[in-house]
Amino acid sequence: SQTIHQWPATLVQPVGSPLSLECTVEGTSNPNLYWYRQAAGRGLQLLFYSVGIGQISSEVPQNLSASRPQDRQFILSSKKLLLSDSGFYLCAWTADRSTDTQYFGPGTRLTVL
Amino acid sequence: AQKVTQAQTEISVVEKEDVTLDCVYETRDTTYYLFWYKQPPSGELVFLIRRNSFDEQNEISGRYSWNFQKSTSSFNFTITASQVVDSAVYFCALTGTYKYIFGTGTRLKVLA
Repeated sequence: SQTIHQWPATLVQPVGSPLSLECTVEGTSNPNLYWYRQAAGRGLQLLFYSVGIGQISSEVPQNLSASRPQDRQFILSSKKLLLSDSGFYLCAWTADRSTDTQYFGPGTRLTVL
Repeated sequence: AQKVTQAQTEISVVEKEDVTLDCVYETRDTTYYLFWYKQPPSGELVFLIRRNSFDEQNEISGRYSWNFQKSTSSFNFTITASQVVDSAVYFCALTGTYKYIFGTGTRLKVLA
């Protein structure tokens, strides 16, 4: 069966520090991968999605970036965090087609101080 | 443009009451999929149901039921005999090109 992992689970970082969040999927190949952010008490904001290795689409211009170095690995990064980057970051995957069900990871709660 | 509207921001019910969460969508696609997810306090989104646009049959799974009506572009979710464990934020979603369109969510509080 397929599983999706995210780490770390929680993170507290100072403003201006770098960020690296990792997401990996097991039990499937060539998934579509997604990064979402959820501000406290708010809905889901799609940040990036990827349909293959090295293929990244950005939904919202910001100081974040994403990379997909391997088929089942999706990384969210920042060179310098802002206070507004605080939130709950969720990674999700679907099978090959975008109409398939998205399954979400456990999330990373990021606090920028 | 595609859009999902969950007009109910927050609903509070007493345990054992029935509750319906509304979802209205807009799309020009003839083939599309609709979803419901549950987000408990732990934060992870839990998949509940996926329904394609050609299947308007209502679905029941235990205490959960879903009513899909293309004529009104609605995909409503009913919890029968609610329990405290049903307290969560519920999201409705619609498929778009390579991505989902999520509603803003409805926070359900079930009081003991």
